Amino acid sequence: SAVISQKPSRDICQRGTSLTIQCQVDSQVTMMFWYRQQPGQSLTLIATANQGSEATYESGFVIDKFPISRPNLTFSTLTVSNMSPEDSSIYLCSARDLYGYTFGSGTRLTVV
Amino acid sequence: RKEVEQDPGPFNVPEGATVAFNCTYSNSASQSFFWYRQDCRKEPKLLMSVYSSGNEDGRFTAQLNRASQYISLLIRDSKLSDSATYLCVVNKSSASKIIFGSGTRLSIRP
Repeated sequence: SAVISQKPSRDICQRGTSLTIQCQVDSQVTMMFWYRQQPGQSLTLIATANQGSEATYESGFVIDKFPISRPNLTFSTLTVSNMSPEDSSIYLCSARDLYGYTFGSGTRLTVV
Repeated sequence: RKEVEQDPGPFNVPEGATVAFNCTYSNSASQSFFWYRQDCRKEPKLLMSVYSSGNEDGRFTAQLNRASQYISLLIRDSKLSDSATYLCVVNKSSASKIIFGSGTRLSIRP
C-alpha cells in the first residue's frame, strides 16, 4: 500500500499565525483526505483534496480557515490559518489506493 | 444519530480471552467497511476489510450484517499487544471518503 510522509510531526505555534502541513505519497493516488483528531476522540474529516480543483469541505470546515492544495497526484498541503488554541489537535492526511486507506503519521499542533 | 456508532469501552480483559466489538452504521447505501487499529499517539492502521461473506485473518474475524447495518470484530486468544483503540470505518454512500466511529478502547491485562 501507499506510504505517506507527513511533516511537520509536531509544532507549537502562536495564536494568529498559520501553519502549513505537507503530505507526500510514494505513489500516485486518486483520492487524498485531511482529518482532525482531538485528544481522546476519533477522526473527523475536514475535506477531500481534489487534484487540480478546489477541495470539498465537510460541514463545519471552510476554505478560508483550512485552505488545501493538491497540485498533483502525490502531494497535498493543509494550512491552518489564523490559529487559536481551539485548533490544537492532531491533523492527519490520508490517501486511498487499491489496497484501502493509508494515513500519514500525523501533525500534533499546539497553539499557545 | 451518528453515522457510525461504536461502544467506546474501555474493554479490559485478561490475556487469552475472546472479545467482540460491534459497530452500527446509519447509511444503508454504504458499500465498504473496515476495522482499523490505532495505538496511542500513532496513526490508524488497517486491520482488516469486512466482506459480506465474513472474513478471518488469524485470530481476527470480521462479519457484516447488511440487513441490520452492523459490523462486528472478534478477537480470539487475545494478546497483550492487542491493546489499542479499534475503529469501525464505513464509506459514505458511493463516495470514496470514509467515516470513522468513535473507537473502542481495548486493554489486555496479563
